Amino acid sequence: GQQLNQSPQSMFIQEGEDVSMNCTSSSIFNTWLWYKQDPGEGPVLLIALYKAGELTSNGRLTAQFGITRKDSFLNISASIPSDVGIYFCAGQWYQGAQKLVFGQGTRLTINP
Amino acid sequence: EAQVTQNPRYLITVTGKKLTVTCSQNMNHEYMSWYRQDPGLGLRQIYYSMNVEVTDKGDVPEGYKVSRKEKRNFPLILESPSPNQTSLYFCASSLRRTPDTGELFFGEGSRLTVL
Repeated sequence: GQQLNQSPQSMFIQEGEDVSMNCTSSSIFNTWLWYKQDPGEGPVLLIALYKAGELTSNGRLTAQFGITRKDSFLNISASIPSDVGIYFCAGQWYQGAQKLVFGQGTRLTINP
Repeated sequence: EAQVTQNPRYLITVTGKKLTVTCSQNMNHEYMSWYRQDPGLGLRQIYYSMNVEVTDKGDVPEGYKVSRKEKRNFPLILESPSPNQTSLYFCASSLRRTPDTGELFFGEGSRLTVL
């Protein structure tokens, strides 16, 4: 099946720093999504991208759907303590029905 | 409040003792799914259901069963749990029969330990 490679696996940053993470694949996707999982909670959708090249922002978060449709990145600007958590990318494709696969996750830790 | 509710949130059991993790959603969603989360592996789909009485295998279905007798409920059954099923489990739902927007609503998770 389709697989996603998400990097980095973990990040340790200082409060106020910008963050960048990405997902790549050898397969093509028709939708890219980014979810965030707060400690002890289930993942929550942050941003959904539906067109190649699309750049979408949600507050301090910006995500892009790669032109090749095989990758996506998520940037967080001016990180704050509540940004701590695990970020998952997810790619969607059609194979008889819509399918969804998740990346391995990026664990973000912020030092105040 | 719109939510996906899982129970129990935490469970420690022994090998071979049947258990059920319940999942209920109050959003009238047609699509429901179970995932397991393991370090370094992300979220992997176990089973999913596009409607009542319609279920299908995900990527890692071995050792699990599900049922969808009512729209709101989608229990996960481990008939004979083994230690390799120790994991964090998430139930998720989506409005449409297939999550064509990819927008899933997740429960808070059930941490299962099998000794």
